[in-house]
Amino acid sequence: GAVVSQHPSWVICKSGTSVKIECRSLDFQATTMFWYRQFPKQSLMLMATSNEGSKATYEQGVEKDKFLINHASLTLSTLTVTSAHPEDSSFYICSARDWVVWSYEQYFGPGTRLTVT
Amino acid sequence: AQTVTQSQPEMSVQEAETVTLSCTYDTSESNYYLFWYKQPPSRQMILVIRQEAYKQQNATENRFSVNFQKAAKSFSLKISDSQLGDTAMYFCASGKYGNKLVFGAGTILRVKS
Repeated sequence: GAVVSQHPSWVICKSGTSVKIECRSLDFQATTMFWYRQFPKQSLMLMATSNEGSKATYEQGVEKDKFLINHASLTLSTLTVTSAHPEDSSFYICSARDWVVWSYEQYFGPGTRLTVT
Repeated sequence: AQTVTQSQPEMSVQEAETVTLSCTYDTSESNYYLFWYKQPPSRQMILVIRQEAYKQQNATENRFSVNFQKAAKSFSLKISDSQLGDTAMYFCASGKYGNKLVFGAGTILRVKS
């Protein structure tokens, strides 16, 4: 089956530093990846849609300069949280859509827990 | 804009019994899909069941089935013979073909032994 990985699974960083989260499709090519943010016991909030080779599309209210998204290849998208602050602490989840099998389904990564101290 | 509403923040059910989770949605799209996802304590999102809006027949996956009422924009999930492993947060979601998903607030389901 289609597998999406995320790295790291948990990261702790100091306030003011930047942290990069990777999302990889392991056994399929993904032209489109989605980045979500989730607070404890809450729903997934879509942050941005990442398309390979083009700029990401951000949802309203999401700071583009703070959450930098790069989708440089068909199997890798990265989310960089710049100048992180404690309020950025959250669970970040990516999902990917198969390029070959154009379908409804998105495959989700296991998520990354970010803690900013 | 699409919206998805889950009005049951928490539910509990005895093992082996049946439980129904509610979901209503609103969309102006003509072609769309509806989904139920499960998020166990590991927080890995797992697709439980999907329904193509153009299909009248309700989707079924083993112990999981949906009641899709298109006119009422209702999409409930029925879990039969509940098992301890069904304990999780369940999200209803709506999306266009191959496009982004809109999630409901979620329902925490606890299966008791």
